[in-house]
Amino acid sequence: SQQGEEDPQALSIQEGENATMNCSYKTSINNLQWYRQNSGRGLVHLILIRSNEREKHSGRLRVTLDTSKKSSSLLITASRAADTASYFCATDANSWGKLQFGAGTQVVVTP
Amino acid sequence: DTGVSQNPRHKITKRGQNVTFRCDPISEHNRLYWYRQTLGQGPEFLTYFQNEAQLEKSRLLSDRFSAERPKGSFSTLEIQRTEQGDSAMYLCASSLMDGPYEQYFGPGTRLTVT
Repeated sequence: SQQGEEDPQALSIQEGENATMNCSYKTSINNLQWYRQNSGRGLVHLILIRSNEREKHSGRLRVTLDTSKKSSSLLITASRAADTASYFCATDANSWGKLQFGAGTQVVVTP
Repeated sequence: DTGVSQNPRHKITKRGQNVTFRCDPISEHNRLYWYRQTLGQGPEFLTYFQNEAQLEKSRLLSDRFSAERPKGSFSTLEIQRTEQGDSAMYLCASSLMDGPYEQYFGPGTRLTVT
């Protein structure tokens, strides 16, 4: 069963625009991770945020976590065509690494 | 290339046959995970190893599925008496222990059961 649920399911934007996607989950977590998947490179880890953190940045990525609402958001700024991919949130309940993924947000960035 | 590798990349088999997949993790990673992904869905956890010990198995892993990690290095996932519902992408990932740590995924083995 999927723990996380991403919203929206699909997102289409133009290069240079920002993309925001949200993830909601059901049970308490130790950490939450975001991954990207495209046909060329498979699943790639983007960022990990611990349950005691509220915000984290990595390059053009910004992740927030609100454990009281059991939700997280991923913002990609100044998007590029190469950002076209599916983005998944994954929750880890106890840091053992048993990740529970959502169904993903499909992002298309057009030049 | 020192990433996670999986073999074969594609496997087509007839219903009822047995198949075996192999995963070679990043050499210094103690933890190894198997996931299954179907079209339009995120990966679903199947099982994981810490060194050679299999520590958890999902209820998705029926008796027809078995995984091993002899000597704590590569891992194999075997599916016996395959069914059409087993058709999926099987993903392997590895990570360091004492996490939480990011997981590094292999390219996957796409299984098609006809």
